[in-house]
Amino acid sequence: DAGITQSPRHKVTETGTPVTLRCHQTENHRYMYWYRQDPGHGLRLIHYSYGVKDTDKGEVSDGYSVSRSKTEDFLLTLESATSSQTSVYFCAISDGPYGYTFGSGTRLTVV
Amino acid sequence: GESVGLHLPTLSVQEGDNSIINCAYSNSASDYFIWYKQESGKGPQFIIDIRSNMDKRQGQRVTVLLNKTVKHLSLQIAATQPGDSAVYFCAEVESYQKVTFGTGTKLQVIP
Repeated sequence: DAGITQSPRHKVTETGTPVTLRCHQTENHRYMYWYRQDPGHGLRLIHYSYGVKDTDKGEVSDGYSVSRSKTEDFLLTLESATSSQTSVYFCAISDGPYGYTFGSGTRLTVV
Repeated sequence: GESVGLHLPTLSVQEGDNSIINCAYSNSASDYFIWYKQESGKGPQFIIDIRSNMDKRQGQRVTVLLNKTVKHLSLQIAATQPGDSAVYFCAEVESYQKVTFGTGTKLQVIP
């Protein structure tokens, strides 16, 4: 996971509270992604960014928002957490369509 | 993490034997394929990739085979070691924002 850091690694939050997950990279890669990983599913794309302030939705974007004010940081926000958002969240970076590098993940539990 | 490994197909292999992990993909427009290894509690780690104009690619102890006719990908691990125990999944890439990940196979190496 060199060059990409996710924080926090674990979080427990209550239903209805806002939550922000952070992804920080030191590789200067243009593309950054947020995925969630759940049993029975492959990694599913939530949102992605193709540059500072340039973001777009993935296949499971409902209930999530993102921001990228600097090349190195990509934030994922759950405005009002729900139990269905309990998951493991991974950030990934790439400098093109090839060669994703993933972070270590954030395990989020919504109670 | 551990919860991702639940409900996955499991391949049990004796240490020193060869392992073959299979993956079916669905998108004829995918032109690049990747195999990832995910150890418990960690993010996915790149193993090997192959472009659609190739049938076979070899790395260190690993070989990926691509059969475009039947949309099938396989990962062969030679002389499997205990450190190879993990979940392995494939990814098909059409573009940087259109990557589809498989659900994975759990590899258990029996010492």
